[in-house]
Amino acid sequence: SQQGEEDPQALSIQEGENATMNCSYKTSINNLQWYRQNSGRGLVHLILIRSNEREKHSGRLRVTLDTSKKSSSLLITASRAADTASYFCATDGISGGGADGLTFGKGTHLIIQP
Amino acid sequence: EADIYQTPRYLVIGTGKKITLECSQTMGHDKMYWYQQDPGMELHLIHYSYGVNSTEKGDLSSESTVSRIRTEHFPLTLESARPSHTSQYLCASSEYISTGVIETQYFGPGTRLLVL
Repeated sequence: SQQGEEDPQALSIQEGENATMNCSYKTSINNLQWYRQNSGRGLVHLILIRSNEREKHSGRLRVTLDTSKKSSSLLITASRAADTASYFCATDGISGGGADGLTFGKGTHLIIQP
Repeated sequence: EADIYQTPRYLVIGTGKKITLECSQTMGHDKMYWYQQDPGMELHLIHYSYGVNSTEKGDLSSESTVSRIRTEHFPLTLESARPSHTSQYLCASSEYISTGVIETQYFGPGTRLLVL
């Protein structure tokens, strides 16, 4: 089954700096999504990019998708303390009889130092 | 703020007890999901449903069961809780587009389960 893997696993930066997280996956997808999870809570959808799109923006977020390399990146510009959270990429698509749900990566734990 | 709710938020229970985790959504979504997440780790899909009377097993094998009698309600049941079931359980819903295509998922706040 396909799997999203983020790197780095953890990232600590100063407030105001940009944060970049990367995600790789293994099989064909229709959509790739990024979610944020604050400590101990549910996930919040950030952005969805379709397989025929290469880049997408939403506020301070910029997502890129390279289907030839099966990879995506999430850039958060001008980081704020409130951006401290775990960030997960997730992919859809069914491969080899897998389940019809999102496959999540292990996440990047982002800490913004004030 | 997503209109999807989970109760209880926290549950501490002894081994062997039967538990039901509730999940409900008011968005009219046909597709619903249960994910299991250990602290600091990724989410694993354990159950999903395409609509009323539909239940499917996810990628991660689970001893829990689910039912879907009403569109808005997707409860998860453990007949006999064990310490190995200790985890966070997250419910989600989305519009159903077609098999293999998943749009935005909306998540509930999760239930943290501790089995002693």
